[in-house]
Amino acid sequence: QKEVEQDPGPLSVPEGAIVSLNCTYSNSAFQYFMWYRQYSRKGPELLMYTYSSGNKEDGRFTAQVDKSSKYISLFIRDSQPSDSATYLCAMQTDSWGKLQFGAGTQVVVTP
Amino acid sequence: DAMVIQNPRYQVTQFGKPVTLSCSQTLNHNVMYWYQQKSSQAPKLLFHYYDKDFNNEADTPDNFQSRRPNTSFCFLDIRSPGLGDAAMYLCATSTTRPEEEKLFFGSGTQLSVL
Repeated sequence: QKEVEQDPGPLSVPEGAIVSLNCTYSNSAFQYFMWYRQYSRKGPELLMYTYSSGNKEDGRFTAQVDKSSKYISLFIRDSQPSDSATYLCAMQTDSWGKLQFGAGTQVVVTP
Repeated sequence: DAMVIQNPRYQVTQFGKPVTLSCSQTLNHNVMYWYQQKSSQAPKLLFHYYDKDFNNEADTPDNFQSRRPNTSFCFLDIRSPGLGDAAMYLCATSTTRPEEEKLFFGSGTQLSVL
């Protein structure tokens, strides 16, 4: 079993819809949770960074962490074609620890 | 803008022919990482430098080496590339200041092995 599981997609949604992404994990020691966006043939860029459980909102993006269920989510409101990319979740046990990535979910937002 | 720059963007090499990928950063971060990412897979950490201290992952093949001559530059050397080494190679940096412990990635080098 992989330490971090993420549905590869593709997830196709119409423009303006809410995109819902999630990851599950097995290591209860993870405390820091991140979401990265990766466009085709580019490096990942950090979208959201959350410590421990709870919600965090930044513009159209909302990250949720449920440590009791070992489940994290990313929601994208009012999706745009420019949101079409692969979204990678990542997590680590402490602020100075190896980052464990999910394999990424491909999102396609159609005009 | 401060950033992480990788060269070249695309590299083609022959089976067994040594190749070097380069990474430079203007962020003045003390930690630099090399990741390997194959299609539809998670990035896999190969090794990282904490300042001048080299830290190899246990499952990184000996075929992969790295050099960091100064804070700004880091190189990935593949001594004898095999077909299985074709991948995107990502360089990333971070600081160790807790409030800034986040990875910044370059755009990657796509390596093809013929």
